[in-house]
Amino acid sequence: QVQLVESGGGVVQPGRSLRLSCAASGFTFSSYGMHWVRQAPGKGLEWVAVISYDGSNKYYADSVKGRFTISRDNSKNTLYLQVSSLRAEDTAVYYCAKAEGYCSSTSCHVYFFDYWGHGTLVTVSS
Amino acid sequence: QSALTQPASVSGSPGQSITISCTGTSSDIGGYNYVSWYQHHPGKAPKLIIYDVSKRPSGVSNRFSGSKSGNTASLTISGLQAEDEADYYCRSYTLSASLGFGRGTKLTVL
Repeated sequence: QVQLVESGGGVVQPGRSLRLSCAASGFTFSSYGMHWVRQAPGKGLEWVAVISYDGSNKYYADSVKGRFTISRDNSKNTLYLQVSSLRAEDTAVYYCAKAEGYCSSTSCHVYFFDYWGHGTLVTVSS
Repeated sequence: QSALTQPASVSGSPGQSITISCTGTSSDIGGYNYVSWYQHHPGKAPKLIIYDVSKRPSGVSNRFSGSKSGNTASLTISGLQAEDEADYYCRSYTLSASLGFGRGTKLTVL
């Protein structure tokens, strides 16, 4: 069955960096676009970033553009999110999610997110 | 897609039916049959419960059903159970490239 397992979260000071990972299994990882979605305490789900199946297209929410970098290693069935220049408002549980959709040269579009991981908590605090 | 409007909260008693609405525009919900709904218990992975407006993934209870009329989609939960208490999010495909979700609805089972 499909499994997505995030790791790499923790407590980090403002301005510092972390790399989050998402290990995927149970499906052909290299065939699907993958996403990061986060939930801050007391808030709803916020889409963060997407990477196309082959890594050629990457798009970000305005709130993280220029600070976060999404990547993937299809040989390791692993998705990454490098989170840098962290701010207090980046404190959240970060989920990776598999989606049915497609990417073009200008954007990605999602029909639905069919599988999610349990998330990894990032706490930005001095 | 913060433009998708959901009620902040709904409640119902065990055995009852409840409906959660999700209102968008002709550019999202009204324009495509790609509305999806997600159930999220705090501390757990969000779960897809409805896709393509009214389809249920394998393993999802038939107590969950989805529909759409114009620019508004709806999630109905029948035979309410304590385990249904969770947050519910809607989203819709759109060509605007917005990948966000509705603001979420907290369901309380009384």
